[in-house]
Amino acid sequence: EVQLVESGGDLVQPGGSLRLSCSASGFSFSNFAMHWVRQVPGQGLEYVSAISSDGGSRYYADPVEDRFTISRDNSKNTLYLQMTSLRPEDTAVYYCVQGGGKEVATRQTVDHWGQGTLVTVSS
Amino acid sequence: DIQMTQFPSSLSASEGDRVTITCRASQTISGYLTWYQQKPGKAPKILIYTASSLQSGVPSRFSGSGSGTDFTLTISSLQPEDFATYYCQQSYMTPWTFGQGTKVEIK
Repeated sequence: EVQLVESGGDLVQPGGSLRLSCSASGFSFSNFAMHWVRQVPGQGLEYVSAISSDGGSRYYADPVEDRFTISRDNSKNTLYLQMTSLRPEDTAVYYCVQGGGKEVATRQTVDHWGQGTLVTVSS
Repeated sequence: DIQMTQFPSSLSASEGDRVTITCRASQTISGYLTWYQQKPGKAPKILIYTASSLQSGVPSRFSGSGSGTDFTLTISSLQPEDFATYYCQQSYMTPWTFGQGTKVEIK
């Protein structure tokens, strides 16, 4: 059974930093691109970032470019999202999502979602 | 970016009703369209993938159709547990984009 378990969400002050983790199991993690999607409570879904299966290619949405860094450790089956210079508008539940392909930019299926971790940016 | 327009944004329906939700892409996405159901406090749950394939474990009253730019999610006979918010999403091109959601409420 595929499992994606996010962790690291917390209350942080504006300007602060946080690292989210997503621990994967039940599939060959190193063969699939991974993605982060976020959702402001009560609102819609927003694509944040993606990384190819080997970590060589990355994508960032405009609102997080230059502030967030996506990475992965295939030896630990873990995906990360390092968030810096956090803003109140980054407050959201962050979901880890497994794509059906190896690359970031190729068309692919959406295979599994984690349960999410809540990030709150507030003073 | 590909824009996904989903409608209606909300609807009221009764148990047993047939419900249809539509999603339109701003350009062709072939069949790379996923439908989700989301309940409060929960992660989105995949119902339909590649436009018309039923996810394992999802009841057969859910179905999806369409290709290119126009897609439909149909619930053939609404059940109490189906009251939720539904989203469409394209994965044809990065960034993935989502419809605004359709809230299905009890009439």
